[in-house]
Amino acid sequence: RKEVEQDPGPFNVPEGATVAFNCTYSNSASQSFFWYRQDCRKEPKLLMSVYSSGNEDGRFTAQLNRASQYISLLIRDSKLSDSATYLCVVSGGGADGLTFGKGTHLIIQP
Amino acid sequence: GAVVSQHPSRVICKSGTSVKIECRSLDFQATTMFWYRQFPKQSLMLMATSNEGSKATYEQGVEKDKFLINHASLTLSTLTVTSAHPEDSSFYICSAPGQGAGYTFGSGTRLTVV
Repeated sequence: RKEVEQDPGPFNVPEGATVAFNCTYSNSASQSFFWYRQDCRKEPKLLMSVYSSGNEDGRFTAQLNRASQYISLLIRDSKLSDSATYLCVVSGGGADGLTFGKGTHLIIQP
Repeated sequence: GAVVSQHPSRVICKSGTSVKIECRSLDFQATTMFWYRQFPKQSLMLMATSNEGSKATYEQGVEKDKFLINHASLTLSTLTVTSAHPEDSSFYICSAPGQGAGYTFGSGTRLTVV
């Protein structure tokens, strides 16, 4: 059974702090990994893909550990606008659908 | 970039009626469309995969006779919730493999059955 596990939170973090989320996946054959952001009652939007070599996009850094089957997301210098639910998403690739974690709810406080 | 247009965004219907949700790929051809639903405080769950020109494949536990999927062209996939009941109230969203990284999502349909 395909599963993606995340800590649902909520994470209450002061503005400007650094926050990190992890997620674990059970399907070792998974090939593609993503972090999506979902605002309340909206569709998920791709935040970033996750690669084994790690990747960074501005204040966001994602890492993949295939051996341990976990994915991480680091947000530096958090902004109020970062408040959202962050979904860890895994796919077998191409014709496979996506398997979503339940999401981690992040609240940035002024 | 690739866009998937989903309509309607919100629908309220009476119990026992049917509701059709459309997803159109704009500026690209979607041979595959994934249909998800999300109950409050739950993760998005894959319901079915539609493929242009062939029958949809349904995930375990999803009734194919209740959730009719049609993928008649490379740019249009529809999900019809037949004989809707209050327990079908949910957020339904479609997604197509993108032209780059990730997948392109429709904007979602919030269905409320009263």
